Amino acid sequence: DAGVIQSPRHEVTEMGQEVTLRCKPISGHNSLFWYRQTMMRGLELLIYFNNNVPIDDSGMPEDRFSAKMPNASFSTLKIQPSEPRDSAVYFCASRSGRRIDTQYFGPGTRLTVL
Amino acid sequence: AQSVSQHNHHVILSEAASLELGCNYSYGGTVNLFWYVQYPGQHLQLLLKYFSGDPLVKGIKGFEAEFIKSKFSFNLRKPSVQWSDTAEYFCAVPTGANNLFFGTGTRLTVIP
Repeated sequence: DAGVIQSPRHEVTEMGQEVTLRCKPISGHNSLFWYRQTMMRGLELLIYFNNNVPIDDSGMPEDRFSAKMPNASFSTLKIQPSEPRDSAVYFCASRSGRRIDTQYFGPGTRLTVL
Repeated sequence: AQSVSQHNHHVILSEAASLELGCNYSYGGTVNLFWYVQYPGQHLQLLLKYFSGDPLVKGIKGFEAEFIKSKFSFNLRKPSVQWSDTAEYFCAVPTGANNLFFGTGTRLTVIP
């Protein structure tokens, strides 16, 4: 298995532009998580899906952020409009079953908003 | 909700030195605790986990952690670090059935 796949690996954009981050979970995993990692706040859970349904989006910073999971093999995290403070590494993770320690992380997308 | 805190932000050691990274958790009933490692440019990987039983947990690559309930601690240790242990280490605790709360991380730099 290729593991969790994220694209792009690096994204540089200008303030005000729309950014879309993509994630392909491990096949067969029924939960998907989006995290944001910054120096100041560490690793924060933004949103997670179970069986393609958003369960908890309380970590999404504001309305500029939105996430979708149209099917079991694909999810997007969109920022519109982007701001410099959105610069961070965004990780996607997926999990099968209920054991919380079986969460597998993707390589992350490093986003820089100028 | 449960949380963890890591007070060491950056630790620098020479090879063969012993390592101990601190992690304290907030009280919240049953405690499950994890340590994750993130090597430079890579994703997070589970290093070890504690669910119950023996409070001394052994993980991969010679790491271990001890759950000390009286101190609300779950410190990560390694007797002799190597240059390849240079990474960022995160302590984590479940905040519910599905969420993991991560500490802010400790960056370890091992000097050859």
